[in-house]
Amino acid sequence: EAQVTQNPRYLITVTGKKLTVTCSQNMNHEYMSWYRQDPGLGLRQIYYSMNVEVTDKGDVPEGYKVSRKEKRNFPLILESPSPNQTSLYFCASSSAESSYEQYFGPGTRLTVT
Amino acid sequence: DQQVKQNSPSLSVQEGRISILNCDYTNSMFDYFLWYKKYPAEGPTFLISISSIKDKNEDGRFTVFLNKSAKHLSLHIVPSQPGDSAVYFCAASRNFGNEKLTFGTGTRLTIIP
Repeated sequence: EAQVTQNPRYLITVTGKKLTVTCSQNMNHEYMSWYRQDPGLGLRQIYYSMNVEVTDKGDVPEGYKVSRKEKRNFPLILESPSPNQTSLYFCASSSAESSYEQYFGPGTRLTVT
Repeated sequence: DQQVKQNSPSLSVQEGRISILNCDYTNSMFDYFLWYKKYPAEGPTFLISISSIKDKNEDGRFTVFLNKSAKHLSLHIVPSQPGDSAVYFCAASRNFGNEKLTFGTGTRLTIIP
């Protein structure tokens, strides 16, 4: 089954404790992105990647890091989480041929206390 | 600065009637527009899209209209069904690419049986 998986689905952590949210897709897609969803703000892009070792900042990259060492994986790293990073995070992927049709993962709800 | 705006946070429509969801944008460089649908506890799913060279695109019960001079697009759902109850996000892109999608804040559509 074609899918984007994220882990963990739920995470509660404390300020400053480094964490990684994993994202994996099995569709051999070139493009991958991370978004955060906040009330009244919709979905905002954090980082995106057009292929292996190619990443670029989205609209709200501060406080986040990403890497794309393999085509299928695109982890999101929070080196020193802060409460304002409490949010619902989505990973998405799409192919270069049909780049507008993004497939989203189920989301990761992160709470930073 | 919200470049893509959905001014109605919620909308209720009787089953069988037409649902009209609206979206406005400010950036004249946007040339590709999309609608995504999101159910609770799931990631958004792609619904329909339109290029700036068109003013209408139809897919079954879903039609998207684009008015470039007004920087406005709308999604029409006819007839509305209970399964259409979801949050709908409008999104815009430049250069016909998905590498950077700008999303609106979403409209929660409720179909009343």
